[in-house]
Amino acid sequence: GAVVSQHPSRVICKSGTSVKIECRSLDFQATTMFWYRQFPKQSLMLMATSNEGSKATYEQGVEKDKFLINHASLTLSTLTVTSAHPEDSSFYICSARKVRTEAFFGQGTRLTVV
Amino acid sequence: LAKTTQPISMDSYEGQEVNITCSHNNIATNDYITWYQQFPSQGPRFIIQGYKTKVTNEVASLFIPADRKSSTLSLPRVSLSDTAVYYCLVGEGAGAGSYQLTFGKGTKLSVIP
Repeated sequence: GAVVSQHPSRVICKSGTSVKIECRSLDFQATTMFWYRQFPKQSLMLMATSNEGSKATYEQGVEKDKFLINHASLTLSTLTVTSAHPEDSSFYICSARKVRTEAFFGQGTRLTVV
Repeated sequence: LAKTTQPISMDSYEGQEVNITCSHNNIATNDYITWYQQFPSQGPRFIIQGYKTKVTNEVASLFIPADRKSSTLSLPRVSLSDTAVYYCLVGEGAGAGSYQLTFGKGTKLSVIP
């Protein structure tokens, strides 16, 4: 099946710094990728839709200047958490979809801001 | 997007069949029903997808009644490794290139030895 890979799987950063998370579709091209955030014991919350070659679409309440999304190619989308604070600590998950198939999810990135 | 309702949690003994029902009263004509499984600290994994009647694959069956307002995921003979959260999602299925997935609260299945 199709594979979506995220990197890094875990990251710890200091408060005030920025962290970049990569999401790659390894064996297919994805014009659209999705970024989710999941807090402990809660469901996945859609943050934004990443569109190749255009600006991302953010869900209500998600700060676009804080969560920068770049979808520079058909196989790569990046999420940068800028000026991270402890409340940004969470599990971030991306997904991508091939044409005429179900969505595939990355393994997730555990971000801890200290 | 159609909202889904599932039981918050379920317990089952090893070897039993588990049926998890999901309600989606506002499902649209173009919507498919998809189930995902999520283990702690991992991304969701696709289990099965269907539009109507019954779909079966190597890991599960999906039963969808004629009115499509609900669906039931059936896991045969569960094992301890099936302990996970199961999400029922409703949205445009195969063929729609960029549909969003909205996750409900999911059902936490605990398999007991």
